[in-house]
Amino acid sequence: GAGVSQSPSNKVTEKGKDVELRCDPISGHTALYWYRQRLGQGLEFLIYFQGNSAPDKSGLPSDRFSAERTGESVSTLTIQRTQQEDSAVYLCASSKRADTQYFGPGTRLTVL
Amino acid sequence: GESVGLHLPTLSVQEGDNSIINCAYSNSASDYFIWYKQESGKGPQFIIDIRSNMDKRQGQRVTVLLNKTVKHLSLQIAATQPGDSAVYFCAERSNDYKLSFGAGTTVTVRA
Repeated sequence: GAGVSQSPSNKVTEKGKDVELRCDPISGHTALYWYRQRLGQGLEFLIYFQGNSAPDKSGLPSDRFSAERTGESVSTLTIQRTQQEDSAVYLCASSKRADTQYFGPGTRLTVL
Repeated sequence: GESVGLHLPTLSVQEGDNSIINCAYSNSASDYFIWYKQESGKGPQFIIDIRSNMDKRQGQRVTVLLNKTVKHLSLQIAATQPGDSAVYFCAERSNDYKLSFGAGTTVTVRA
């Protein structure tokens, strides 16, 4: 597609439930990133995928967070047993190797 | 604390005036810097970037200045328009791929 797409655009869930967020990167972009953005704050790095290399998971805040990516295609970010502090916008970006990152519109997650 | 930050959280500017948004960084090993614009409800949009071997780069109505001596980055927007109202983030890259973002500056353009 023309840009990075993410789904759903909004997700409201109850505390304790699991959620899955999806990211479709720009075609041909080998690198994919997930960020978290809390209200009124900057972007917090979560995880980085580059081709078939082992992902950099150093930004994941707890073991409730995990992400997968198959090859250079779609990625899913899963949050298990959601907590209210998980409420944020989750942004995905993609790039050609270490080139400029292009962002999707984000998924706004609200945990009640 | 964060390695990248912005001097002012908000900036109000008259339409048609020039805007200057400032950013300080602390990692002298950073080799690449980017400015992003984020409008309400949208993801960050790339504006302009600059590598550490440069001190100035110009785009369409925007100029980025890099002062490595004092670890300072600025974004200048010429003839600010209402559509420039947004949150602006600077980001630095200190390794192959990881960007560190500041908290952002909210720019409001007055008609």
